[in-house]
Amino acid sequence: EIVLTQSPATLSLSPGERASLSCRASQSVGSHLAWYQQKPGQAPRLLIYDAFNRATGIPARFSGSGSGTDFTLTISSLEPEDFAVYHCQQRREWPITFGQGTRLEIK
Amino acid sequence: QVQLVESGGGVVQPGGSLRLSCTASGFTFRSYGMHWVRQAPGKGLEWVAHVWYDETTKYYADSVEGRFIISRENSKNMLYLQMNSLTAEDTAVYYCAKPLATNYFESWGQGALVTVSS
Repeated sequence: EIVLTQSPATLSLSPGERASLSCRASQSVGSHLAWYQQKPGQAPRLLIYDAFNRATGIPARFSGSGSGTDFTLTISSLEPEDFAVYHCQQRREWPITFGQGTRLEIK
Repeated sequence: QVQLVESGGGVVQPGGSLRLSCTASGFTFRSYGMHWVRQAPGKGLEWVAHVWYDETTKYYADSVEGRFIISRENSKNMLYLQMNSLTAEDTAVYYCAKPLATNYFESWGQGALVTVSS
């Protein structure tokens, strides 16, 4: 199965700063990668799909890039509501797999 | 709008069985493949199972293959997960999820907590 490794495990930043979260795949997934945001006690929310497409209603400060094995989720200027856990997910082949998550916390 | 509501969670002893249900509304259920995804306490997300729109094809994670069965009733807009031979490692919140046109998870239920404990 394709293993997704997210880094860092925890990222401490302040509101207004730029965040860059990484997801690395054990083999190429092409552009078949998504990013999700999850807040405590809530279900995940789809942010980005196919590496760089924003899902409906997602603010423009969220952007995705990358292809093959290396992907980045960038939040251009952090808002207070952006502090959460972020997960990446590949759909290139079965089984569908997720990364272990990156916790974005307020510094 | 899309609504997914899971039910059937609870506490079950190791080796026991449980059936989760997911009631779907707000979209043409019979036109979409559906998924179950779980999250153990304090852990990441784990995809569990997928069923095609017409139930002709099913996929399972290796961790549940042979123990869990995904099914659906399109006439009732219902998705199910029959879980057998449960172990402590199956303790998790179980979400049903509707995909975008492809297998990204666009809509999620609120989750059903399954606790396997003696």
